[in-house]
Amino acid sequence: AQSVTQPDIHITVSEGASLELRCNYSYGATPYLFWYVQSPGQGLQLLLKYFSGDTLVQGIKGFEAEFKRSQSSFNLRKPSVHWSDAAEYFCAVGGNKLVFGAGTILRVKS
Amino acid sequence: ETGVTQTPRHLVMGMTNKKSLKCEQHLGHNAMYWYKQSAKKPLELMFVYNFKEQTENNSVPSRFSPECPNSSHLFLHLHTLQPEDSALYLCASSQELAGRTYEQYFGPGTRLTVT
Repeated sequence: AQSVTQPDIHITVSEGASLELRCNYSYGATPYLFWYVQSPGQGLQLLLKYFSGDTLVQGIKGFEAEFKRSQSSFNLRKPSVHWSDAAEYFCAVGGNKLVFGAGTILRVKS
Repeated sequence: ETGVTQTPRHLVMGMTNKKSLKCEQHLGHNAMYWYKQSAKKPLELMFVYNFKEQTENNSVPSRFSPECPNSSHLFLHLHTLQPEDSALYLCASSQELAGRTYEQYFGPGTRLTVT
C-alpha cells in the first residue's frame, strides 16, 4: 500500500532564507510524486510532479524537488522564501490512486 | 484557475436540510473525486468516479450521496448532516490511464457549516 510521511507539521523560516520541506514515501513500484500548496480556504494547487527521468524537477513559483530513490524521499526546496509562500504544503504519491501526506504548514517571518 | 469549478463556495445548512454541491471540470479528464478536509485532519478521499462509474467509496455515511451524470460533472447530495460534517469539501479531476492515477487538479472547495 502507498503511504506518505511529512515529518514536520509546522516550519517557520525568515523571509529570504532557504526552505526544505521533507517528504518520505512508501510504494512498491516506481512512484509518481507530487507537491501541492494550499492557501487558507482554497483548493490545492499543483507545484510540481515527478514521473521519471531527471530526479531534480522544477516547478512553479521557484520551487524544486529532488527524488532520491535510495532514501524514498522527495523533498521540496526553495532558495529564497517570500512572505507569500506562507501556506500548507502537501506531498503525494500516485499509484493506482493518489495518497496525500498530512501536510506541513509554512510560516514566514519578516 | 478555472479548470475545476465548485459551487457554492460557502454553504450553511441545518441538520434537516437537503442541499447539493456541484463540481465541473473543463480539462477533459476521465476521473473525478470528492475529498473532505477537516481542521487538523488529513485529507480524506470520499468517492472516486472513473468514466462516470463509481470506483471507490471509502465507507462514507449514506447521508452523503454522489452523482456523476457525465465525465465533466460531479455532485454531492447532502441530507440530514451532522455538525461533525462541517468541513471544506474539495472536488478534483485527473486523467487515469492503465490503472495509474496522474496528477489531480482541485477546485477551490465548498466550505460547509452544519448548524
